[in-house]
Amino acid sequence: GAGVSQTPSNKVTEKGKYVELRCDPISGHTALYWYRQSLGQGPEFLIYFQGTGAADDSGLPNDRFFAVRPEGSVSTLKIQRTERGDSAVYLCASSHGTPANEQFFGPGTRLTVL
Amino acid sequence: EDKVVQSPLSLVVHEGDTVTLNCSYEVTNFRSLLWYKQEKKAPTFLFMLTSSGIEKKSGRLSSILDKKELFSILNITATQTGDSAVYLCAVPAGNQFYFGTGTSLTVIP
Repeated sequence: GAGVSQTPSNKVTEKGKYVELRCDPISGHTALYWYRQSLGQGPEFLIYFQGTGAADDSGLPNDRFFAVRPEGSVSTLKIQRTERGDSAVYLCASSHGTPANEQFFGPGTRLTVL
Repeated sequence: EDKVVQSPLSLVVHEGDTVTLNCSYEVTNFRSLLWYKQEKKAPTFLFMLTSSGIEKKSGRLSSILDKKELFSILNITATQTGDSAVYLCAVPAGNQFYFGTGTSLTVIP
């Protein structure tokens, strides 16, 4: 596609449930990033993929969060045993090359944990 | 600790006014600073700055970087209601991008 796409656009779940958020980056972009953005805050880094491997996952808040990118394109962010504090907009971005380059953002997934 | 600080947090102006948004940073091994506009969900790219003192311009928007004093400014002249958005500043450090909290700009007709 022309840009980064994310599905679903909105996800409402109950506390304790498991959720998966999907990101389709721009074709050919080797770098993929996940961010979490809470109301009134800037995006907060979660994880960075270069190709298939997680080059930096230091932003994942705890072991309930996990992300994969098995074929170096689509990525899935997985959250186990969701908590109300996980409610936020989850943004995905992709770029060509190094992290210093411009990132192209998807529209995000708004996750609400009841 | 790497960090990015933006000011003001919010700004309300009338159409036609000129605004200046500020971004200061402290990061190791600085490479670039980027400005984004966020209207609803997806931040959209405005500028990437790597060199001090060289102004980047796009229409009514312009930006400049000062690597000695560690800050950048984003100027918007003759503001329009369509400029209403959150403006984010980001600095890559290592593999991460550090974002400021953003400046929320509201332009009143």
